[in-house]
Amino acid sequence: QKEVEQDPGPLSVPEGAIVSLNCTYSNSAFQYFMWYRQYSRKGPELLMYTYSSGNKEDGRFTAQVDKSSKYISLFIRDSQPSDSATYLCAMDQTGANNLFFGTGTRLTVIP
Amino acid sequence: EAQVTQNPRYLITVTGKKLTVTCSQNMNHEYMSWYRQDPGLGLRQIYYSMNVEVTDKGDVPEGYKVSRKEKRNFPLILESPSPNQTSLYFCASSLQRLAPSLTDTQYFGPGTRLTVL
Repeated sequence: QKEVEQDPGPLSVPEGAIVSLNCTYSNSAFQYFMWYRQYSRKGPELLMYTYSSGNKEDGRFTAQVDKSSKYISLFIRDSQPSDSATYLCAMDQTGANNLFFGTGTRLTVIP
Repeated sequence: EAQVTQNPRYLITVTGKKLTVTCSQNMNHEYMSWYRQDPGLGLRQIYYSMNVEVTDKGDVPEGYKVSRKEKRNFPLILESPSPNQTSLYFCASSLQRLAPSLTDTQYFGPGTRLTVL
């Protein structure tokens, strides 16, 4: 079993839809949770960063962490064609930047 | 502009021919690391460095070497490349350890697509 599981998709939604992206994990010691966005032929860029459980909101993006269920989510409101990318979840146990990544979910927002 | 640069961006080589992929960052970051990205497997860490002259293995270090002689540079060396090292490679850097109050984390380079024939 992989440490971090993520549905690879692909996921296609119409412009304006609410998108929900999820990851599950097996290591209950993970404390740091991140979402990265990766455009085609580019390196990942940090989108959201959360420590421990709870919600974090930044504009149209909301990250949720439920440590009791070992489940994290990223919500995108009012999705735009520019949101079309691969979204990667990542987690760290000790804060030493040894990140464990999900395989990524490819999202397409259709105009 | 804060950035991580990698060279070359694309490389096709043959089995056994030593190669080096360079990585440089201009943000004075202590931490640097190398990942490879493969379909269905996601990003996996190869090596990382907490500071100059301090390097350690990640999850998939076999067949790779690194060095950290200067803070800004972290080259990845393949002494004898093999076809199973065909992959997309990313270098990343960050300022410090993760912390609850930290609002920033790893910056990634643009990637190097390596093909070993």
